[in-house]
Amino acid sequence: KQEVTQIPAAPSVPEGENLVLNCSFTDSAIYNLQWFRQDPGKGLTSLLLIQSSQREQTSGRLNASLDKSSGRSTLYIAASQPGDSATYLCAVYTGGFKTIFGAGTRLFVKA
Amino acid sequence: NAGVTQTPKFRILKIGQSMTLQCTQDMNHNYMYWYRQDPGMGLKLIYYSVGAGITDKGEVPNGYNVSRSTTEDFPLRLELAAPSQTSVYFCASSLESPQHFGDGTRLSIL
Repeated sequence: KQEVTQIPAAPSVPEGENLVLNCSFTDSAIYNLQWFRQDPGKGLTSLLLIQSSQREQTSGRLNASLDKSSGRSTLYIAASQPGDSATYLCAVYTGGFKTIFGAGTRLFVKA
Repeated sequence: NAGVTQTPKFRILKIGQSMTLQCTQDMNHNYMYWYRQDPGMGLKLIYYSVGAGITDKGEVPNGYNVSRSTTEDFPLRLELAAPSQTSVYFCASSLESPQHFGDGTRLSIL
């Protein structure tokens, strides 16, 4: 059974630091992996999607990597800003309309 | 661009009451989904639909029903509300990936 694990809370960090958020999954048979951002009281916003054949994706200050063989993905946030404060979720798509979500990592960036 | 719209945003129900959570999307997506999010947990799939008239159960369907009469709308019905159904409910839609989410309905059963 596929399980997705994220460290539930990240320490609050000062503005400007580079950050790494981790996601691990137990079964390497995935079609893709997504990173989402969730603001309080809001839905999920897709940040990056990595297909199973890809190693990484980049969008602005965000870079996500995927290592299927080890069941790991990292989301790298460069030069963090207070506006980056949110909960970040990763999710793996295993086919058959099954997307398995992690519980999320709550991030707080101090000004 | 409205995207995925959910109503209501908040609701308090008494045990045994029924209600319908509304979801509509304006992106002409074939696939629609209902999830619930409990504190400290990942999203769990309740039901999904691959098109008008076609629905199927997800991971946690008990206590819920859905219908899909149009491409745009995918309502979720709770027939006999129970405290275990207190949660935040998200509707999503997609062509393939990624899924686009609504802002959620926060539901409390007392």
